[in-house]
Amino acid sequence: SQQGEEDPQALSIQEGENATMNCSYKTSINNLQWYRQNSGRGLVHLILIRSNEREKHSGRLRVTLDTSKKSSSLLITASRAADTASYFCATSDSWGKLQFGAGTQVVVTP
Amino acid sequence: DSGVTQTPKHLITATGQRVTLRCSPRSGDLSVYWYQQSLDQGLQFLIQYYNGEERAKGNILERFSAQQFPDLHSELNLSSLELGDSALYFCASSSSGGYNEQFFGPGTRLTVL
Repeated sequence: SQQGEEDPQALSIQEGENATMNCSYKTSINNLQWYRQNSGRGLVHLILIRSNEREKHSGRLRVTLDTSKKSSSLLITASRAADTASYFCATSDSWGKLQFGAGTQVVVTP
Repeated sequence: DSGVTQTPKHLITATGQRVTLRCSPRSGDLSVYWYQQSLDQGLQFLIQYYNGEERAKGNILERFSAQQFPDLHSELNLSSLELGDSALYFCASSSSGGYNEQFFGPGTRLTVL
């Protein structure tokens, strides 16, 4: 079963625009992690936000976490063609077991 | 490069066969996780080992088993393979349990014919 649900399922934007995707989850978490996957390849870790944090930045990425609403968002600013990928949120319990959402497919056109 | 290695990259086999997937975690990481990614089920957690001991089990079939060796590398054994076992199998590692990032290997693509 999947813990998280990403929204939207797909996103198409132009280079330079911002991309925002949301993740909702059902149970309490230890932390929430965002990953990127280029077509059929490995998962690249983007950012981890702990349950007691509300916002985190890493380069062009900004992640927010609202534990009261059980939701998180990932913002990619000034997108590039190289950002084209699937993005997954994953919630972690205290053992580290990750439960993934279905992902958001992002296409950035030049 | 995450530092997690997996072999082989691709595996093509027939139904009923048995295969072994291998994973070497990042240097110093004690936790190893196995995940399966398929079109219909998405990314599913299979099993976790910490310093040689099984820590948590997810949606892992009885036909599948895993172990972590003293040098911390791990193997996932899949037996009596079925067509539905065709998927990408990922290994991930982290330095501890649930508090740190998990870094994923490139995956093994298993095709069962």
